[in-house]
Amino acid sequence: GAGVSQSPSNKVTEKGKDVELRCDPISGHTALYWYRQSLGQGLEFLIYFQGNSAPDKSGLPSDRFSAERTGGSVSTLTIQRTQQEDSAVYLCASTLDGTSGNTIYFGEGSWLTVV
Amino acid sequence: TQLLEQSPQFLSIQEGENLTVYCNSSSVFSSLQWYRQEPGEGPVLLVTVVTGGEVKKLKRLTFQFGDARKDSSLHITAAQPGDTGLYLCAGDRAGNMLTFGGGTRLMVKP
Repeated sequence: GAGVSQSPSNKVTEKGKDVELRCDPISGHTALYWYRQSLGQGLEFLIYFQGNSAPDKSGLPSDRFSAERTGGSVSTLTIQRTQQEDSAVYLCASTLDGTSGNTIYFGEGSWLTVV
Repeated sequence: TQLLEQSPQFLSIQEGENLTVYCNSSSVFSSLQWYRQEPGEGPVLLVTVVTGGEVKKLKRLTFQFGDARKDSSLHITAAQPGDTGLYLCAGDRAGNMLTFGGGTRLMVKP
């Protein structure tokens, strides 16, 4: 596709359920990021994939959060046993590679509400 | 504690006024980026500044990178309602790993 595509755009889930959020990066982009944004706030880094390197998971807030990237393209962020504090917009972004200064393109985000 | 502090957090002004948003840190960045985000959308890159003291202009927007590459400012001249949105600064310390500020929510009233 022309841009970074995320699904679902909105997800309401019950506390304790697992959720999966999907990201399709721009074709050819080897670097992929997940960020979390609380209402009207800045972005909190979660995880970073670059090519075949081991992902940088340093931003994941707890072991309930995990992410994978299959075939160097599509990525899935999984949140297990969701809590109300997980409610936020989850943004995916991609860039050509991890070189500093490359433009980073964001998707529109997946709005997660845990009730 | 945020690595990048943005101020003000909120700004509501009348059309035609000028404003400045600040982004400050105690850390040095290889580059600093400014993004604008509208409701329901992801952030969109406005500009990247790389050199200490650099000034870039984008129509009515002027971006400045501090000499020590620790801080930056965004100045908007004669603000328009279309400028309304969330402005985010992001510092790059290594390999395109961005650290974001908390954002400045700007509302420009007609």
